[in-house]
Amino acid sequence: GEDVEQSLFLSVREGDSSVINCTYTDSSSTYLYWYKQEPGAGLQLLTYIFSNMDMKQDQRLTVLLNKKDKHLSLRIADTQTGDSAIYFCAEYYNNNDMRFGAGTRLTVKP
Amino acid sequence: DAGVIQSPRHEVTEMGQEVTLRCKPISGHDYLFWYRQTMMRGLELLIYFNNNVPIDDSGMPEDRFSAKMPNASFSTLKIQPSEPRDSAVYFCASGPLGVQYFGAGTRLSVL
Repeated sequence: GEDVEQSLFLSVREGDSSVINCTYTDSSSTYLYWYKQEPGAGLQLLTYIFSNMDMKQDQRLTVLLNKKDKHLSLRIADTQTGDSAIYFCAEYYNNNDMRFGAGTRLTVKP
Repeated sequence: DAGVIQSPRHEVTEMGQEVTLRCKPISGHDYLFWYRQTMMRGLELLIYFNNNVPIDDSGMPEDRFSAKMPNASFSTLKIQPSEPRDSAVYFCASGPLGVQYFGAGTRLSVL
Protein backbone atom coordinates (compact mmCIF):
# COMPACT_ATOMS: atom_id res chain seq x y z
CA GLY A 1 0.00 0.00 0.00
CA GLU A 2 0.90 3.66 -0.19
CA ASP A 3 0.44 4.49 3.48
CA VAL A 4 2.43 3.80 6.61
CA GLU A 5 -0.10 1.87 8.65
CA GLN A 6 -0.51 1.68 12.40
CA SER A 7 -3.27 0.65 14.76
CA LEU A 8 -4.99 3.74 16.09
CA PHE A 9 -5.33 2.69 19.74
CA LEU A 10 -3.56 0.56 22.33
CA SER A 11 -4.43 0.24 26.00
CA VAL A 12 -2.21 -1.48 28.58
CA ARG A 13 -1.90 -1.68 32.35
CA GLU A 14 0.93 0.03 34.17
CA GLY A 15 3.90 -2.30 34.47
CA ASP A 16 2.97 -4.39 31.44
CA SER A 17 4.83 -4.31 28.13
CA SER A 18 3.40 -2.35 25.21
CA VAL A 19 3.98 -3.35 21.61
CA ILE A 20 3.13 -0.87 18.88
CA ASN A 21 3.22 -2.17 15.33
CA CYS A 22 3.72 -0.46 12.01
CA THR A 23 3.80 -1.51 8.38
CA TYR A 24 5.75 0.77 6.08
CA THR A 25 5.66 1.16 2.34
CA ASP A 26 9.07 1.14 0.74
CA SER A 27 11.49 -1.74 1.02
CA SER A 28 14.33 0.64 0.12
CA SER A 29 13.68 2.91 3.10
CA THR A 30 16.99 3.59 4.79
CA TYR A 31 15.85 4.83 8.19
CA LEU A 32 12.77 4.00 10.22
CA TYR A 33 11.69 6.08 13.19
CA TRP A 34 9.50 6.18 16.23
CA TYR A 35 8.27 9.54 17.45
CA LYS A 36 6.27 10.29 20.60
CA GLN A 37 3.75 13.12 20.83
CA GLU A 38 2.33 14.18 24.17
CA PRO A 39 -0.75 16.44 24.37
CA GLY A 40 -0.01 19.96 23.20
CA ALA A 41 3.56 19.16 22.27
CA GLY A 42 5.58 18.48 19.16
CA LEU A 43 6.86 15.15 17.97
CA GLN A 44 9.78 13.91 20.02
CA LEU A 45 12.21 11.59 18.28
CA LEU A 46 12.36 8.48 20.46
CA THR A 47 14.58 6.22 18.45
CA TYR A 48 15.43 5.21 14.93
CA ILE A 49 16.90 2.17 13.24
CA PHE A 50 18.93 1.76 10.09
CA SER A 51 17.53 -0.61 7.53
CA ASN A 52 20.56 -2.90 7.80
CA MET A 53 19.70 -3.67 11.43
CA ASP A 54 16.97 -5.93 12.71
CA MET A 55 16.91 -4.87 16.33
CA LYS A 56 17.85 -1.90 18.45
CA GLN A 57 17.52 -1.62 22.21
CA ASP A 58 17.63 1.57 24.25
CA GLN A 59 16.76 1.19 27.92
CA ARG A 60 13.04 0.29 28.06
CA LEU A 61 12.61 0.58 24.31
CA THR A 62 13.18 -2.23 21.81
CA VAL A 63 12.73 -1.73 18.09
CA LEU A 64 12.34 -4.74 15.83
CA LEU A 65 12.57 -4.53 12.05
CA ASN A 66 11.41 -7.19 9.61
CA LYS A 67 12.46 -5.95 6.19
CA LYS A 68 10.93 -8.85 4.33
CA ASP A 69 7.47 -7.99 5.65
CA LYS A 70 8.16 -4.23 5.92
CA HIS A 71 7.14 -4.43 9.56
CA LEU A 72 8.45 -2.29 12.38
CA SER A 73 7.56 -2.60 16.04
CA LEU A 74 8.25 -0.66 19.21
CA ARG A 75 8.19 -2.48 22.52
CA ILE A 76 8.07 -0.48 25.74
CA ALA A 77 8.96 -2.55 28.78
CA ASP A 78 7.44 -1.78 32.20
CA THR A 79 5.05 0.77 30.72
CA GLN A 80 4.39 3.79 32.93
CA THR A 81 1.57 6.34 32.96
CA GLY A 82 4.05 8.88 31.59
CA ASP A 83 4.32 6.75 28.46
CA SER A 84 0.73 7.64 27.55
CA ALA A 85 0.99 9.53 24.25
CA ILE A 86 0.60 9.12 20.52
CA TYR A 87 3.39 7.16 18.86
CA PHE A 88 4.20 7.77 15.20
CA CYS A 89 6.05 5.42 12.94
CA ALA A 90 7.91 7.07 10.03
CA GLU A 91 10.08 5.98 7.14
CA TYR A 92 12.74 7.90 5.26
CA TYR A 93 12.82 6.61 1.74
CA ASN A 94 13.92 9.01 -0.97
CA ASN A 95 15.73 12.35 -1.14
CA ASN A 96 14.76 13.40 2.33
CA ASP A 97 11.13 12.34 1.94
CA MET A 98 9.63 11.11 5.17
CA ARG A 99 6.30 9.38 5.43
CA PHE A 100 4.46 9.25 8.74
CA GLY A 101 1.80 6.90 9.98
CA ALA A 102 -1.41 8.20 11.51
CA GLY A 103 -0.17 7.49 15.01
CA THR A 104 -1.10 4.98 17.74
CA ARG A 105 -2.66 6.43 20.87
CA LEU A 106 -1.24 4.52 23.85
CA THR A 107 -3.27 4.67 27.04
CA VAL A 108 -1.68 3.33 30.22
CA LYS A 109 -4.11 2.43 32.99
CA PRO A 110 -2.97 2.40 36.61
CA ASP B 1 20.73 23.71 22.31
CA ALA B 2 17.19 24.94 22.94
CA GLY B 3 15.75 22.86 20.14
CA VAL B 4 13.54 24.08 17.33
CA ILE B 5 11.74 27.22 18.48
CA GLN B 6 8.39 28.22 17.05
CA SER B 7 6.34 31.32 17.68
CA PRO B 8 3.67 32.07 18.51
CA ARG B 9 2.50 28.94 20.34
CA HIS B 10 -1.11 29.89 19.78
CA GLU B 11 -2.68 32.18 17.21
CA VAL B 12 -6.34 33.09 16.93
CA THR B 13 -7.36 35.22 13.99
CA GLU B 14 -10.35 36.09 11.88
CA MET B 15 -10.99 34.82 8.39
CA GLY B 16 -9.27 36.97 5.79
CA GLN B 17 -6.42 38.09 8.02
CA GLU B 18 -2.77 37.45 7.29
CA VAL B 19 -1.01 34.99 9.58
CA THR B 20 2.75 34.60 9.94
CA LEU B 21 4.29 31.66 11.75
CA ARG B 22 7.94 31.72 12.72
CA CYS B 23 10.61 29.11 13.22
CA LYS B 24 14.18 29.08 14.47
CA PRO B 25 15.86 25.79 13.59
CA ILE B 26 18.59 24.08 15.54
CA SER B 27 21.93 25.63 14.69
CA GLY B 28 23.91 23.66 12.15
CA HIS B 29 20.98 21.79 10.65
CA ASP B 30 20.88 21.90 6.88
CA TYR B 31 17.23 20.99 6.45
CA LEU B 32 14.07 22.75 7.59
CA PHE B 33 10.54 21.43 7.22
CA TRP B 34 7.05 22.83 7.68
CA TYR B 35 4.23 20.41 8.54
CA ARG B 36 0.54 20.77 9.26
CA GLN B 37 -1.29 18.42 11.61
CA THR B 38 -5.07 17.95 11.72
CA MET B 39 -7.26 15.21 13.09
CA MET B 40 -8.66 14.45 9.66
CA ARG B 41 -5.47 14.40 7.61
CA GLY B 42 -2.77 13.64 10.16
CA LEU B 43 0.69 15.06 9.57
CA GLU B 44 1.25 16.63 6.15
CA LEU B 45 4.53 17.96 4.81
CA LEU B 46 4.01 21.41 3.35
CA ILE B 47 7.50 22.41 2.22
CA TYR B 48 11.13 21.83 3.03
CA PHE B 49 14.37 23.75 2.58
CA ASN B 50 17.94 22.65 2.18
CA ASN B 51 20.57 25.27 2.99
CA ASN B 52 17.85 27.94 2.90
CA VAL B 53 16.67 26.95 -0.59
CA PRO B 54 13.12 25.58 -1.05
CA ILE B 55 13.42 22.06 -2.43
CA ASP B 56 9.89 20.67 -2.46
CA ASP B 57 6.78 22.78 -2.00
CA SER B 58 4.36 20.30 -3.53
CA GLY B 59 2.57 19.98 -0.22
CA MET B 60 1.64 23.65 0.00
CA PRO B 61 -2.14 23.59 -0.31
CA GLU B 62 -2.62 26.66 -2.49
CA ASP B 63 -1.27 30.07 -3.36
CA ARG B 64 -2.47 31.52 -0.09
CA PHE B 65 0.44 29.74 1.57
CA SER B 66 4.03 30.90 1.21
CA ALA B 67 7.24 30.10 3.06
CA LYS B 68 10.61 31.79 3.20
CA MET B 69 13.96 31.10 4.72
CA PRO B 70 16.02 34.30 4.47
CA ASN B 71 18.91 32.83 6.47
CA ALA B 72 20.01 29.67 8.21
CA SER B 73 18.45 30.62 11.53
CA PHE B 74 14.96 31.77 10.56
CA SER B 75 11.98 30.72 8.51
CA THR B 76 8.41 31.94 8.14
CA LEU B 77 5.20 30.37 6.92
CA LYS B 78 2.62 32.91 5.82
CA ILE B 79 -1.07 32.43 5.08
CA GLN B 80 -2.82 35.27 3.30
CA PRO B 81 -5.77 35.42 3.42
CA SER B 82 -6.48 32.88 6.13
CA GLU B 83 -9.59 30.67 6.08
CA PRO B 84 -11.26 28.57 8.79
CA ARG B 85 -10.09 25.36 7.10
CA ASP B 86 -6.50 26.45 7.75
CA SER B 87 -7.06 25.81 11.47
CA ALA B 88 -4.48 23.23 12.51
CA VAL B 89 -1.25 22.79 14.39
CA TYR B 90 1.74 23.84 12.30
CA PHE B 91 5.09 22.27 13.06
CA CYS B 92 8.54 23.26 12.03
CA ALA B 93 11.29 20.63 12.09
CA SER B 94 14.98 20.77 11.34
CA GLY B 95 17.74 18.25 10.99
CA PRO B 96 20.71 16.88 9.18
CA LEU B 97 19.99 14.53 6.31
CA GLY B 98 17.75 11.68 7.44
CA VAL B 99 16.66 12.89 10.89
CA GLN B 100 14.08 15.50 11.89
CA TYR B 101 13.63 17.26 15.21
CA PHE B 102 10.33 19.00 15.77
CA GLY B 103 9.37 22.22 17.44
CA ALA B 104 6.44 22.45 19.84
CA GLY B 105 4.13 23.74 17.12
CA THR B 106 1.83 26.70 16.58
CA ARG B 107 -1.86 26.05 17.13
CA LEU B 108 -3.74 28.22 14.63
CA SER B 109 -7.44 28.90 14.94
CA VAL B 110 -9.11 30.87 12.16
CA LEU B 111 -12.58 32.03 13.13
